[in-house]
Amino acid sequence: EVQLVETGGGLVQPGRSLKLSCVVSGFTFSSYWMYWIRQAPGKGLEWVSSINPDGGNTYYPDSVKGRFTVSRDNAENTVYLQMNSLRSEDTATYYCAKPYYDGTYYYGWFAYWGQGTLVTVSS
Amino acid sequence: DIQMTQSPSLLSASVGDRVTLSCKASQNIYKYLNWYQQKLGEAPKLLIYYTNSLQTGIPSRFSGSGSGTDYTLTISSLQPEDVATYFCQQYNSWYTFGAGTKLELK
Repeated sequence: EVQLVETGGGLVQPGRSLKLSCVVSGFTFSSYWMYWIRQAPGKGLEWVSSINPDGGNTYYPDSVKGRFTVSRDNAENTVYLQMNSLRSEDTATYYCAKPYYDGTYYYGWFAYWGQGTLVTVSS
Repeated sequence: DIQMTQSPSLLSASVGDRVTLSCKASQNIYKYLNWYQQKLGEAPKLLIYYTNSLQTGIPSRFSGSGSGTDYTLTISSLQPEDVATYFCQQYNSWYTFGAGTKLELK
């Protein structure tokens, strides 16, 4: 059974840092791109980061580029999101998600999500 | 960046109704469009991928269609358990989601 479990959320002051973790099981983690997607309270969803299977390629939208860093430890089946210079607009539930992979290609839909971890940025 | 606009933002319907939700992209996304259902307090659940492919385990009352910039999610006969917020997502260029349509029972 595929499982993704995020941890590390909490209350943090503006300008401070926080590191999220997502531990996965039930699939070959080292073969998969992994994603972070967030959802502000009562709002829609926003893609936050992508990382390729060996961790050598990472991608971000402009809203977090230069402040957030995604990384992974394939030995520990874990993907991380280091969030620096946090702003009030970063307040959201952060989900990690697994894309579909047919053994050759990765596709841009997410059938597996974690339960999310809430990050609140406030003084 | 590709913007996704969903309409309506709120939809009230009765059990058994045929329900249609719309999603419009700011440019052609070549059918690279997915639909998710999100119930209160839960993670999103994939319903439809690549415009019209039904995810495993999803009831056949859900269907998707569209092309170019205009896409539709249809529920053929609304059930009480379908009360949720529905999001569309494009993956033609990076990934963007619509703001959602909240579906409630009338």
